[in-house]
Amino acid sequence: QVQLQESGPGLVKPSGTLSLTCAVSGGSISSSNWWSWVRQPPGKGLEWIGEIYHSGSTNYNPSLKSRVTISVDKSKNQFSLKLSSVTAADTAVYYCARVGWELPPGGLYYYYMDVWGKGTTVTVSS
Amino acid sequence: QSVLTQPPSVSGAPGQRVTISCTGSSSNIGAGYDVHWYQQLPGTAPKLLIYGNSNRPSGVPDRFSGSKSGTSASLAITGLQAEDEADYYCQSYDSNHYVFGTGTKVTVL
Repeated sequence: QVQLQESGPGLVKPSGTLSLTCAVSGGSISSSNWWSWVRQPPGKGLEWIGEIYHSGSTNYNPSLKSRVTISVDKSKNQFSLKLSSVTAADTAVYYCARVGWELPPGGLYYYYMDVWGKGTTVTVSS
Repeated sequence: QSVLTQPPSVSGAPGQRVTISCTGSSSNIGAGYDVHWYQQLPGTAPKLLIYGNSNRPSGVPDRFSGSKSGTSASLAITGLQAEDEADYYCQSYDSNHYVFGTGTKVTVL
């Protein structure tokens, strides 16, 4: 089955750029799924960051859009997150997730995160 | 700030039934977008619990059930067990992006 593994620096300096990669194993990133990033600040809830399709199409959370770039590398079966101009508020556990989908009879498409990585902690501090 | 509101905590004794509400608005749940639920055990990644309002992925016990009505959704846990102690999040769609609920901590007394 599909497994996801996040990797990247655990410490980033304020005003710097956070860079993470999510490696996909057990399946192809070129499947008919979107691939998302979600974060969780310490002791707080989940926040969706953005998503990418293997074609390179992206969607971002409006609250982060000006600072976020998500890219895909099909040759390595992985996708990446860059978050610029980070502050202490960006300290969080960052998860990557596969976006599953369904089209119920007579209904709208719906999308949910059906496979998650274990998460990686990123601290923003000097 | 999340656009989907959940109670911060609910609790129940083993064997009891608890419900968690997820209140949205006309731009998300009320617009017809489906609701999904995730369970997050302490120190672990979220796990898909319910999708499409009421569907359980393979392996999820039928003690967990979901429903949706109007601008709200609910997750019910019947026959509460100690292993159900976790944080639970609802998720839907709003203004071209995914949104999560504020999260609910379930405590088994």
